[in-house]
Amino acid sequence: QVQLQESGPGLVEPSETLSLTCTVSGGSISGYYWTWIRQTPEKGLEWIAYIDYLFHIGTTKYNPSLRSRVTISVDTSKSQFSLKLSSVTAADTAVYYCVRHLDSPNSGGFGNWGQGTLVTVSS
Amino acid sequence: DIQVTQSPSSLSASVGDRVTITCRASQNINSYLNWYQQKPGHAPKLLIYTASILQSWVPSRFSGSGSGTDFTLTINGLQPEDFATYYCHQCLSLPYSFGQGTKLDIK
Repeated sequence: QVQLQESGPGLVEPSETLSLTCTVSGGSISGYYWTWIRQTPEKGLEWIAYIDYLFHIGTTKYNPSLRSRVTISVDTSKSQFSLKLSSVTAADTAVYYCVRHLDSPNSGGFGNWGQGTLVTVSS
Repeated sequence: DIQVTQSPSSLSASVGDRVTITCRASQNINSYLNWYQQKPGHAPKLLIYTASILQSWVPSRFSGSGSGTDFTLTINGLQPEDFATYYCHQCLSLPYSFGQGTKLDIK
């Protein structure tokens, strides 16, 4: 059974870059799509980005509302994928989840989730 | 962007009840609609995908239906472990979007 575990700082200063890593165990990075999602009480669940390791290896897609600030990447040697969100503000305070798609981007939904990590943006 | 609207936002029910949660998309999404269950302090879990296919862990009292713009999640015979928040999610087009959630609590 695949397991995902987010790691990274729980506190980030405004205007800095939020960096999170998701370590995948019990399964391979290859053959799946990988996504980052965040959740706040105010906005609910928000999809951030995905990276394709099934069809078009390394292809990324971003939420247009965040595209200018987000980078998603994979390190297959470490079985990890990462999120970088630059120029953060308090509005980026959220629980961040790393997620494996069940199937292709248009079917199956988000099948496996990390436990989530709370990132607070504050000085 | 496709908007998905859930109703109701909250719902009180008793063990054994039948409950229905609806999700409406702002445009035709065929059957590209998924449902998740989230309990406090935990990540969402995929419950139903492609509108009506139950994940392997999901009891048969759960069912999903609909296509196009209108979808339904039904729980027949609520059990204590079903009290949670439920979300719908469209995966037809980017950016993926979620409903605002339906909190199901015990009456």
